Amino acid sequence: SQQGEEDPQALSIQEGENATMNCSYKTSINNLQWYRQNSGRGLVHLILIRSNEREKHSGRLRVTLDTSKKSSSLLITASRAADTASYFCATDAARGSNYKLTFGKGTLLTVNP
Amino acid sequence: EAGVAQSPRYKIIEKRQSVAFWCNPISGHATLYWYQQILGQGPKLLIQFQNNGVVDDSQLPKDRFSAERLKGVDSTLKIQPAKLEDSAVYLCASSPTGRGALAKNIQYFGAGTRLSVL
Repeated sequence: SQQGEEDPQALSIQEGENATMNCSYKTSINNLQWYRQNSGRGLVHLILIRSNEREKHSGRLRVTLDTSKKSSSLLITASRAADTASYFCATDAARGSNYKLTFGKGTLLTVNP
Repeated sequence: EAGVAQSPRYKIIEKRQSVAFWCNPISGHATLYWYQQILGQGPKLLIQFQNNGVVDDSQLPKDRFSAERLKGVDSTLKIQPAKLEDSAVYLCASSPTGRGALAKNIQYFGAGTRLSVL
């Protein structure tokens, strides 16, 4: 079963606007990651946030994690057409995961020029 | 460094035929993963190898799917016989070892093989 669930399923914005995607999960985690997938390509790791962290930044990306609500959000600021892709959250379960990740269904982001 | 290589990129077969996919992970990566990604969904783990040993194959349909990683480097995933519901993208990923726990947890993906079963 898929642990993470992204929201919304699809998001369409104009270039320059900010995009926010949310992820909810069910069990305790070691860390949570976000990946991007361009159409017809493999996934690319964007950012990892540990369970004891609340916020993390990387360039135009900002990730927050609320372990009490079992949720995370990914904010992309000043979006570009090249940001058009599907975005997935992936969780690493807290116990006995053997570095196994469980992916959500993803948010399809379209950035219109 | 070279990325994860997968072949073929596309494959079209009829149901009940067999098919094989190949993956060459990033050099030095001990852990290799095979995922199935159905259209509109996230990747689902099929099997995880650590070197040439299986760590997790709990979601691999073993009556028709098999995978091996001889010599702990490249890997093949086979489906025999294929069903219509096997139509999906099959992704291979690898992760590093020896650089700390967090580094091991980041996965590097190949471009995938898109399988269509008719």
